[in-house]
Amino acid sequence: QQPVQSPQAVILREGEDAVINCSSSKALYSVHWYRQKHGEAPVFLMILLKGGEQKGHEKISASFNEKKQQSSLYLTASQLSYSGTYFCGTEWWYGGSQGNLIFGKGTKLSVKP
Amino acid sequence: DAGVIQSPRHEVTEMGQEVTLRCKPISGHDYLFWYRQTMMRGLELLIYFNNNVPIDDSGMPEDRFSAKMPNASFSTLKIQPSEPRDSAVYFCASSITGTGGFQFFGPGTRLTVL
Repeated sequence: QQPVQSPQAVILREGEDAVINCSSSKALYSVHWYRQKHGEAPVFLMILLKGGEQKGHEKISASFNEKKQQSSLYLTASQLSYSGTYFCGTEWWYGGSQGNLIFGKGTKLSVKP
Repeated sequence: DAGVIQSPRHEVTEMGQEVTLRCKPISGHDYLFWYRQTMMRGLELLIYFNNNVPIDDSGMPEDRFSAKMPNASFSTLKIQPSEPRDSAVYFCASSITGTGGFQFFGPGTRLTVL
């Protein structure tokens, strides 16, 4: 099942903060976050792994609540370059992982001057 | 490294024609993924390979779609015959490891079927 992202879209002024949420109906092994600018390919931002390990972008942070099967991406002091569509990709826990991701429908973030 | 390479970048074809999309993953990456992206359905995983072997093709829409990976540096996605509803952007991605490994996406192929 596809993870559910919220909100679907958000508009910010430069310097404002935003939170994007990603929820799954299944137990998760990891959550991946990607950003896609218009007409371009998705670009990796962050991985959060079961057990708490986190790897990613220095200016963006995220949390992973394994019990609630959800993750949140925190964008602080937003810049114009943050504009794009943010996708979470979930990797399910089968007692291991198969390595494939199921992506949410995305959250469109627009940062205005 | 040049990153994931896809060709062609744009393809316009007529309904019923065969379409072949190509992908060269990053050298040393063991996993290769094919995705399709549309406004309606978002980013969908079609099939993925590990060490050139197809692992999960449950996302392939129907028998008109097929994918191969004859060696570690090349993969194809074929649609035969193509239909207008196949119009989408097709991405190839590769990763060095499946579990917890982030994926590098290619630039995509924009397919238009008339």
